[in-house]
Amino acid sequence: DGGITQSPKYLFRKEGQNVTLSCEQNLNHDAMYWYRQDPGQGLRLIYYSQIVNDFQKGDIAEGYSVSREKKESFPLTVTSAQKNPTAFYLCASSIVRTGMTEAFFGQGTRLTVV
Amino acid sequence: AQSVTQLGSHVSVSEGALVLLRCNYSSSVPPYLFWYVQYPNQGLQLLLKYTTGANLVTGINGFEAEFKKSETSFHLTKPSAHMSDAAEYFCAVSEEGKLIFGQGTTLQVKP
Repeated sequence: DGGITQSPKYLFRKEGQNVTLSCEQNLNHDAMYWYRQDPGQGLRLIYYSQIVNDFQKGDIAEGYSVSREKKESFPLTVTSAQKNPTAFYLCASSIVRTGMTEAFFGQGTRLTVV
Repeated sequence: AQSVTQLGSHVSVSEGALVLLRCNYSSSVPPYLFWYVQYPNQGLQLLLKYTTGANLVTGINGFEAEFKKSETSFHLTKPSAHMSDAAEYFCAVSEEGKLIFGQGTTLQVKP
């Protein structure tokens, strides 16, 4: 089945450690996205990529890094510079069409920093 | 930059009652609009989308939304709520290759 796979579903890390969240898609979509979700704040865009080897910062990129070496993969690293990393992280992908982006989402990774 | 405002962070209805979730957008050009639903600890699922054409859009699970340009609104409705509709709902607008989301509305359905 085609879709977007995020792993792991739950992740616990100690404060000050970097951690990488995985996102893989087999939908042959050009664009991929990372969103952060906190209660009452909706979804906020961290990074997005519309083509391999290129990506742009979203609204809350500080403390995060990404890479896009393959079309299918868009891993997100939460660095120690991120002050409050505990959140639910959602990866999405979409076909790139002029003016319109219809995104498909993975099941999310819940990161808890202790 | 475009923005999306969802009026009411929590909406409570009785089973069988009308569901109305409100969404207003700001856009200087014809927008592409979406409603997504999220169940606890899951990703988002597309309910419906407005691109061009008919202003009334039909989606999955009996939901509809009407695009009203004069009111810059895209409210989501369902004639009769079911217990399984309890979830969080997000309105979104497409801008320059990415989606801008509202803050979300949690729908509670009472028996």
